[in-house]
Amino acid sequence: DQQVKQNSPSLSVQEGRISILNCDYTNSMFDYFLWYKKYPAEGPTFLISISSIKDKNEDGRFTVFLNKSAKHLSLHIVPSQPGDSAVYFCAASAAAGGYQKVTFGTGTKLQVIP
Amino acid sequence: EAQVTQNPRYLITVTGKKLTVTCSQNMNHEYMSWYRQDPGLGLRQIYYSMNVEVTDKGDVPEGYKVSRKEKRNFPLILESPSPNQTSLYFCASSLYLGTPTYEQYFGPGTRLTVT
Repeated sequence: DQQVKQNSPSLSVQEGRISILNCDYTNSMFDYFLWYKKYPAEGPTFLISISSIKDKNEDGRFTVFLNKSAKHLSLHIVPSQPGDSAVYFCAASAAAGGYQKVTFGTGTKLQVIP
Repeated sequence: EAQVTQNPRYLITVTGKKLTVTCSQNMNHEYMSWYRQDPGLGLRQIYYSMNVEVTDKGDVPEGYKVSRKEKRNFPLILESPSPNQTSLYFCASSLYLGTPTYEQYFGPGTRLTVT
């Protein structure tokens, strides 16, 4: 049962345009959401996060939007740069037995074309 | 430099031959975890550890063992590897996951092939 879904395995965007990566979740107990970025031959690195009490969080070119009623979040990258080409994982966490259990999505491979 | 290290980075082995993948972090993190990444399935948690001598199963623990005898080390043990354990493995650590705000730091990954 995939509780966190990234329905687009891949996405291609022209340099300078907006990249929008989407993530859907099913567990209403998730209260914190994170995006990780992964380059080939490296481990994922934290990018940006958002608490369930907010609907938007911005960090430079990266903005995450959360729509709790739709159980949907998205990552916007503006403007997209070739160095943004990577796999992006959405993650969601919920309290479970004294710690926050994190569930990852399947990933979306972003290619930014120069 | 704050980091999570894993060894080996690449390993090809045969079915049934016991192996250990080491993981070490130098950030004094309490929480450590192992994940496997498979195409179309994303990152799935194998085991995690809240602190020394405290470990618990994640979502896909079958065929794996772990131990946490020191705070910095969290080895992953495959006592009898099988081909379905061919995967990309990541170790991760976090200051603490009692609150949701601490992101995890990942190692570079170990590519395991079991023939």
